[in-house]
Amino acid sequence: QEQLQESGPGLVEPSGTLSLTCGVSGDSVSWWSWVRQPPGKGLEWIGEISQTGSTNYNPSLRRRLTISADRAKGHFSLRLISVTAADTAVYYCARGFSKKWDYWGQGILVTVSS
Amino acid sequence: QSALTQPPSASGSPGQSVTISCSGTSSDVGGYNYVSWYQHHPGKAPKLMIYDVTKRPSGVPDRFSGSKSGNTASLTVSGLQAEDEAHYYCSSYAGKTYHYVFGTGTKVTVL
Repeated sequence: QEQLQESGPGLVEPSGTLSLTCGVSGDSVSWWSWVRQPPGKGLEWIGEISQTGSTNYNPSLRRRLTISADRAKGHFSLRLISVTAADTAVYYCARGFSKKWDYWGQGILVTVSS
Repeated sequence: QSALTQPPSASGSPGQSVTISCSGTSSDVGGYNYVSWYQHHPGKAPKLMIYDVTKRPSGVPDRFSGSKSGNTASLTVSGLQAEDEAHYYCSSYAGKTYHYVFGTGTKVTVL
């Protein structure tokens, strides 16, 4: 049973950097993803990282996005630069396995505002 | 890559069935058998209900079923129960450029 938990600041200033971490428990051979949901809108896939460090990003976010992992510490991270109000959302981390996400965190609301 | 198209809402009385469509293109839904469906109650983590178009994870009731025809996938909930009231999102693999795309979401109401 995989358990995931997002952590990070709930408020980021415009043009600043959004940084989140997802703690992971359990052993698995998977891809680890970030998904977000802006207020009143649907889900959007952000990107993923594999156990070997390979990454795939949503093309619409690629130039601002970095996903990394620290296996020793048991977590993976999201870094999104130059944020605007459009980046305000609930951010979820999830385990990707064979083209589906079977375990999800509870989500963390990040608001971009001054 | 555009979001997959779902109806904004669907409803049914307890015991009835409801079917939600998920329309894409030959580059996503029609091109791969990697459609999954997620149930999302507000404030909670999304839950995987269907994967690989038709498969159900362990623990998901067999009232939930999935199918696909061409570029459109569908989720059917039979024998609606009050706890089925939630938002439902489809997702599809979309190849090595766009990777994954979600649907616009459908709010299911149990009348």
